[in-house]
Amino acid sequence: KQEVTQIPAALSVPEGENLVLNCSFTDSAIYNLQWFRQDPGKGLTSLLLIQSSQREQTSGRLNASLDKSSGRSTLYIAASQPGDSATYLCAVRPRLEYGNKLVFGAGTILRVKS
Amino acid sequence: DAGVTQSPTHLIKTRGQQVTLRCSPISGHKSVSWYQQVLGQGPQFIFQYYEKEERGRGNFPDRFSARQFPNYSSELNVNALLLGDSALYLCASSLVGTGSYEQYFGPGTRLTVT
Repeated sequence: KQEVTQIPAALSVPEGENLVLNCSFTDSAIYNLQWFRQDPGKGLTSLLLIQSSQREQTSGRLNASLDKSSGRSTLYIAASQPGDSATYLCAVRPRLEYGNKLVFGAGTILRVKS
Repeated sequence: DAGVTQSPTHLIKTRGQQVTLRCSPISGHKSVSWYQQVLGQGPQFIFQYYEKEERGRGNFPDRFSARQFPNYSSELNVNALLLGDSALYLCASSLVGTGSYEQYFGPGTRLTVT
């Protein structure tokens, strides 16, 4: 059974700091991994999608890496801003499950202080 | 183009009642998935429908059911509501029903059971 863990559970940083969020998964048989952002009480916004054959993806100040063999992904946020404050969720698409179910971690709550 | 839409936005029900939640996928998307997100946790997979057929089911009781219509919109029904059903219900759509396609989430329906 695929399990996803995110560390740390919460993070508070001053504005302008670079930061790294971690995601680990137990089964390397995945199609892809997605990072999402969720504002309080809202839906999920997809930030980056990394296919299993890829090592990293970049979008603006965000960079996500994937090491499938070790079951790890990191989300790097450069020059953090107060507007980056949100919960960040990582999810994997297991290859050995029928359909397109995503398995999520519990998220990292990020607060960027101005 | 419109994203994934869900209705209603908020809902308050009493224990034992029944509720129906609605989701319209992105135009051209044929797969719809439902997730339950309890406060402080990551979303949990409930159902996936593709081409009006169930393609996946999570570990939820039979009180939860869903269907997909010819226009690919979907309804999630929950019978005999319990206090523990209080959660944010998220709908996600993707182009097809399996593989490595990206999934896009709606804003969610906040269900409160009293």
